[in-house]
Amino acid sequence: NAGVMQNPRHLVRRRGQEARLRCSPMKGHSHVYWYRQLPEEGLKFMVYLQKENIIDESGMPKERFSAEFPKEGPSILRIQQVVRGDSAAYFCASSRGTPAYEQYFGPGTRLTVT
Amino acid sequence: ELKVEQNPLFLSMQEGKNYTIYCNYSTTSDRLYWYRQDPGKSLESLFVLLSNGAVKQEGRLMASLDTKARLSTLHITAAVHDLSATYFCASSGTYKYIFGTGTRLKVLA
Repeated sequence: NAGVMQNPRHLVRRRGQEARLRCSPMKGHSHVYWYRQLPEEGLKFMVYLQKENIIDESGMPKERFSAEFPKEGPSILRIQQVVRGDSAAYFCASSRGTPAYEQYFGPGTRLTVT
Repeated sequence: ELKVEQNPLFLSMQEGKNYTIYCNYSTTSDRLYWYRQDPGKSLESLFVLLSNGAVKQEGRLMASLDTKARLSTLHITAAVHDLSATYFCASSGTYKYIFGTGTRLKVLA
């Protein structure tokens, strides 16, 4: 029974490039959440998605960041024209539903912008 | 604004000693989660506390929840070096988790 899967685990991008982070939820889970962890800080909520719908993106920066969770395939967090300040660990979590269901976290993608 | 506050932020303690990490939350949910994170690693779920008065123990760690005070504690008994890590508490809002800033624990031999 695989847990939440994220890839890649490490990603290096030069300033101005695009970063694509993927998240496959646990089997049976249709709710996906993305969190960002800056160095030496706690995790901060970014976006909550259900299949084909963005439910809450209040934690997403207004520009350059987007997320999707298509009917088929993993959820994607996309960062366009990356800057050094985007360097962080990005964690995905999934759950069966809300609000009573526990979220299960993936291993994270560590993005380094050079 | 929904907040989760942890203290202390840094904790250096001798092996064999006891200590408590505090987590105050202002969210309306009374579900409280504790996680451990080692440097460069993901979150390891430690405890899920779902009701007032809940107490859970695993090894040298014990967590409790007081929903009236909106306070959770993580108590460390007879610390050992292997417990050195960062510990986070998180409270669930409507659907998003609100994390504390973490407590960086260092256990000295």
